[in-house]
Amino acid sequence: GAVVSQHPSWVICKSGTSVKIECRSLDFQATTMFWYRQFPKQSLMLMATSNEGSKATYEQGVEKDKFLINHASLTLSTLTVTSAHPEDSSFYICSARRDRVQAVGELYEQYFGPGTRLTVT
Amino acid sequence: RKEVEQDPGPFNVPEGATVAFNCTYSNSASQSFFWYRQDCRKEPKLLMSVYSSGNEDGRFTAQLNRASQYISLLIRDSKLSDSATYLCVVNRNSARQLTFGSGTQLTVLP
Repeated sequence: GAVVSQHPSWVICKSGTSVKIECRSLDFQATTMFWYRQFPKQSLMLMATSNEGSKATYEQGVEKDKFLINHASLTLSTLTVTSAHPEDSSFYICSARRDRVQAVGELYEQYFGPGTRLTVT
Repeated sequence: RKEVEQDPGPFNVPEGATVAFNCTYSNSASQSFFWYRQDCRKEPKLLMSVYSSGNEDGRFTAQLNRASQYISLLIRDSKLSDSATYLCVVNRNSARQLTFGSGTQLTVLP
């Protein structure tokens, strides 16, 4: 499978500060990356779709001014949680979409980074 | 109704058993289907893409029934290392956004 890295793997910050999370596709180019959030014992919830060279598309209920996304290159997307609060504490996971053409047709597979565990105190 | 529904389990099976997971999806326009596995406090890892004719990868077999909007995953000769949460995943739209089921928890017992 393809490799996606995410940094940092965990972070503890104080309420009111900002945290930047990086997501990199290491062995393929990804025009589209996705940011998810997962609370304990719940499934992944899509926060936003990040497109290289254009503005991110946010899901309903996700504040774009609070969760800033930048996708400056085909291998890097960043998520900045601004003015973090304790309720923002969660597991943030990025994924990068790899597009392939195979005999069965086009495949659009998402590969996930290892996640960032954010704790806001 | 949820977009992707799975039986949450848990499924507790002995080593060597065969176990099957089912999943239904609500959007008939969905085009791509996947099974991911997620270990506790880890990211999801792609297990299989599901092709329309069904496909097999070693001990794992995936089936798709578009008419019934139903996907299945069969695991044969289960191993202790198969213990994880299995996520049924469906593409949502032309942007290839994914919708995740809530997952089915599997524990393989020695």
